[in-house]
Amino acid sequence: AQTVTQSQPEMSVQEAETVTLSCTYDTSESDYYLFWYKQPPSRQMILVIRQEAYKQQNATENRFSVNFQKAAKSFSLKISDSQLGDAAMYFCALMEYGNKLVFGAGTILRVKS
Amino acid sequence: DGGITQSPKYLFRKEGQNVTLSCEQNLNHDAMYWYRQDPGQGLRLIYYSQIVNDFQKGDIAEGYSVSREKKESFPLTVTSAQKNPTAFYLCASSIGLALSYEQYFGPGTRLTVT
Repeated sequence: AQTVTQSQPEMSVQEAETVTLSCTYDTSESDYYLFWYKQPPSRQMILVIRQEAYKQQNATENRFSVNFQKAAKSFSLKISDSQLGDAAMYFCALMEYGNKLVFGAGTILRVKS
Repeated sequence: DGGITQSPKYLFRKEGQNVTLSCEQNLNHDAMYWYRQDPGQGLRLIYYSQIVNDFQKGDIAEGYSVSREKKESFPLTVTSAQKNPTAFYLCASSIGLALSYEQYFGPGTRLTVT
């Protein structure tokens, strides 16, 4: 069965600095997608970034980038120039055939001013 | 504006009562999903539907039921058989079940059963 593990329950970062959130996963499929979702206090799930397993190039969306290591089954999220609005719960998720998402337990990110 | 609506935002029920959570989307999406979120855990899939009048169990379907009579609507009933119904429930939709389709989420319903 596919699993997603986020080993950091909580992280803190100083405003304007960089932070990396970790995620490892397990799947027997060769084609899949990986996602990072942000859940602010409003609890609305917001897609931050996604990565297709077949693409070797790491995805980037403005201040957000990933380090995708397929062989190691690792998918970390780097947030550069952290802002107060980045404070939220971040979920790593795996999507396989059938479009079903499997989520990690989440990492709470706190941003200090 | 296109999006997903879940109502109400907060719902309170007495133990032993069935309760139905509403989910409506105007994105013209074929696929819809229900997830449950508990503290310290990620979202877990309850049910999903690829098309009208068809739905499949997810990982934690016991104690829940759904219907899909209209493309835009996918209500979830939490039955009295669900042992721990208090949770945050999220509805999502996507264009279809193909691998590349993003899921869009509604604002969620917080259900409290006492």
